[in-house]
Amino acid sequence: QSALTQPPSVSGSPGQSVTISCTGTSSDVGSYNHVSWYQQSPGTAPKLMIYEVNNRPSGVPDRFSGSKSGNTASLTISGLQAEDEADYYCNSFTTSSTWVFGGGTKLTVL
Amino acid sequence: QVQLVQSGAEVKKPGAPVKVSCKASGYTFTSNKMHWVRQAPGQGLEWMGMINPSGGSTTYAQNLRGRVAMARDTSTSTFYMELSSLRSEDTAVYYCARDDTKWAIDYWGQGTLVTVSS
Repeated sequence: QSALTQPPSVSGSPGQSVTISCTGTSSDVGSYNHVSWYQQSPGTAPKLMIYEVNNRPSGVPDRFSGSKSGNTASLTISGLQAEDEADYYCNSFTTSSTWVFGGGTKLTVL
Repeated sequence: QVQLVQSGAEVKKPGAPVKVSCKASGYTFTSNKMHWVRQAPGQGLEWMGMINPSGGSTTYAQNLRGRVAMARDTSTSTFYMELSSLRSEDTAVYYCARDDTKWAIDYWGQGTLVTVSS
């Protein structure tokens, strides 16, 4: 199972919106709505930001949203804040009943 | 509150096995599957596998099958991950991470650094 494809880096200025893509195949992202997104700051464990494509856990700001079209899922962060600077990872369940992460995207807030 | 407390850092020689533990508390042990995820230095997250504590069934990542084994001890609410035939490429932080039953991971352990070096 190959890792899902994410851009290595994205950037944006405070207040702007950024979108991080996560491209898989018909064997993972394209087959299920079981896509989640995680935020990881240096030296810390990842934090769940989005589950089931577009659902936010309690406590996650509504500036974070998710979507999916075909084999590609996306995470959009609107109203960028300095505290959003981190690495972001997507994850999907697969038709082999395994899970797979994306390679990760480093978000820089300019 | 949910807590996942992992065992301490390990240094192993190539070819040796390593066993990492993860003690769960603050919830019903058998209610949630447990994933193991690793992260090599400066690299991304890699899903290793998962175990259903209710029955002990496991699913492993294809690239680790034959080298990884996951187990649980319901009497102590502890999960275990053993990786054998260690190589330098296995140097990573290993996390246990609780499945939230909604196809995502909601709680993570603090991580255990495993260093493989001769």
